[in-house]
Amino acid sequence: AQSVTQLGSHVSVSEGALVLLRCNYSSSVPPYLFWYVQYPNQGLQLLLKYTSAATLVKGINGFEAEFKKSETSFHLTKPSAHMSDAAEYFCAVSDNSGYSTLTFGKGTMLLVSP
Amino acid sequence: DTGVSQDPRHKITKRGQNVTFRCDPISEHNRLYWYRQTLGQGPEFLTYFQNEAQLEKSRLLSDRFSAERPKGSFSTLEIQRTEQGDSAMYLCASSRESGGGGETQYFGPGTRLLVL
Repeated sequence: AQSVTQLGSHVSVSEGALVLLRCNYSSSVPPYLFWYVQYPNQGLQLLLKYTSAATLVKGINGFEAEFKKSETSFHLTKPSAHMSDAAEYFCAVSDNSGYSTLTFGKGTMLLVSP
Repeated sequence: DTGVSQDPRHKITKRGQNVTFRCDPISEHNRLYWYRQTLGQGPEFLTYFQNEAQLEKSRLLSDRFSAERPKGSFSTLEIQRTEQGDSAMYLCASSRESGGGGETQYFGPGTRLLVL
């Protein structure tokens, strides 16, 4: 069975500071990994995904994530936070079973202060 | 593309009533997923369709829940005899099968259900 652990239900940063949101996964097969962002009362929007190509993945809005197999991690980073980045972020994993159903972490709320 | 749409966006109902939600996926997507999201949690998988066939159901999907995708296009999720524990956001997502998995799922805005 797959699982995702997101460390920290809330992360607070100042505008312009580094953003680091942590994600560790458990999977018995090489996984596909995703980061989604959710703004209040909206659905989820894909930020980026890892599908076994380059281990450093660049996404939208300046975000990137690095797949580290030895650490079973897929942490999300952004060099400089913007007020508009305040939202909830979800890490998710799917396997290569063919159905591609996603298993999500509990999410991390990113708070950005001026 | 016009994105995934869901209707209604909000639904308030009394315990014991039946409710039905609709999802219209991106037109060329043959895969459709339903997820449920409760407060403070990530979305949890409910069920999956490939074209009109329902291929996988989660243990979360009790007998009171039923989903259909009659012509391989839009899908409906019905909850019979609603309970307060059914209160949640119901999310629909669609994707185009790519073979081997890992394709991107595109999510709709969700239907927020409140059972009184």
